Amino acid sequence: EAGVTQFPSHSVIEKGQTVTLRCDPISGHDNLYWYRRVMGKEIKFLLHFVKESKQDESGMPNNRFLAERTGGTYSTLKVQPAELEDSGVYFCASSSTGYGYTFGSGTRLTVV
Amino acid sequence: GEDVEQSLFLSVREGDSSVINCTYTDSSSTYLYWYKQEPGAGLQLLTYIFSNMDMKQDQRLTVLLNKKDKHLSLRIADTQTGDSAIYFCAERKLRAGNTGKLIFGQGTTLQVKP
Repeated sequence: EAGVTQFPSHSVIEKGQTVTLRCDPISGHDNLYWYRRVMGKEIKFLLHFVKESKQDESGMPNNRFLAERTGGTYSTLKVQPAELEDSGVYFCASSSTGYGYTFGSGTRLTVV
Repeated sequence: GEDVEQSLFLSVREGDSSVINCTYTDSSSTYLYWYKQEPGAGLQLLTYIFSNMDMKQDQRLTVLLNKKDKHLSLRIADTQTGDSAIYFCAERKLRAGNTGKLIFGQGTTLQVKP
């Protein structure tokens, strides 16, 4: 069984540019989560999809962040325009049960 | 609040036991987790414990849960250099609609010296 796949693994962009992160969950997992770890701090929840619907987006920092999950399969997280404080590692996780989570390797985003 | 607290750093000698501690805040949390992150890698689930348990053992790993004090610990027996990593404690926070999001601590960096 393939795991949770994220790409790119690294992205370096300039302030003001747009970046789109992608997550492919484990096939059949209805629950998909995005988390973020800013330098040295705790990993923070961003949002949760159940299939294609946003179940909880209480962790999204502001309206520069847009997450989608078309067709309930893969998900994208777009940051537009990127700011310096958006730098960090973005993790995606999927779950079939809602309590067993498999995480991807993360995307390290650096905004310069 | 939603804070999960961990000490930031632990250094042990190879062969010793490591104990990583965590405190959480939500008494309604049903599951508590330990994740490991090796350099450049993603989050690997080490183990989890259901809140009606006091202890769970899995090979070199022992998890102890004190629900009264909201304290969780991870003991690694016979620590090896390959155990050097960041260890994250997390609680599963239930909300209406059972979103099941995880609240993580800041992570404890375990350094194992040969």
